[in-house]
Amino acid sequence: EVQLVESGGGLVQPGGSLRLSCAASGFTFSSYWMSWVRQAPGKGLEWVANIKQDGSATYYVDSVKGRFTISRDNAKNSLYLQMNSLRAEDTAVYYCARLITGDADYWGQGTLVTVSS
Amino acid sequence: DVVMTQSPLSLPVTLGQPASISCRSSHSLVYSDGNTYLNWFQQRPGQSPRRLIYKVSNRASGVPDRFSGSGSGTDFTLKISRVEAEDVGVYYCMQGAHWPLSFGGGTQVEIK
Repeated sequence: EVQLVESGGGLVQPGGSLRLSCAASGFTFSSYWMSWVRQAPGKGLEWVANIKQDGSATYYVDSVKGRFTISRDNAKNSLYLQMNSLRAEDTAVYYCARLITGDADYWGQGTLVTVSS
Repeated sequence: DVVMTQSPLSLPVTLGQPASISCRSSHSLVYSDGNTYLNWFQQRPGQSPRRLIYKVSNRASGVPDRFSGSGSGTDFTLKISRVEAEDVGVYYCMQGAHWPLSFGGGTQVEIK
């Protein structure tokens, strides 16, 4: 059974940093692109970042470029999102998702990040 | 960037009656491989999104056959043939043909 379990969310002050993790199981993690998607409270879904199977390519939505870094450790079956210079508008539930061509077939349960003083 | 526009925003439906949600994209979703990457997701209250339909009309594993998808190019539709109580939630279309990948704003399905 495919499982994606996010962790690392919490309350952080504006300008602060946080690192999210996603533990993957039930599939060959190193064979898939992976993504982070976020959802602000009461709002819709927004794609944040993608990373290729071997980590050699990454893509970011404009609003997080230069502040967020997606990475992975295939030996640990883990996906990460390093978030720096956090802003109030980054407050959201962050989901880890497995990508297949043009689609996201499995999602985690999400971890809440709150940016507030 | 590709803009996905869903309608209606809210859809009150009587149990057992059909429901239909529209999704329009600002660009064609036909990818270079010939496939059309338009997907539908369901998000029940308090849960993470669940994939319902992929590549316009293919039901994901475990999805009841009362859900169906159709459309082409830039216009797509999700239909529920007979709404059940467990179908309450927000439905999102998502395009996977262009980066950044993008979602529609969502349609809230509720029971009248």
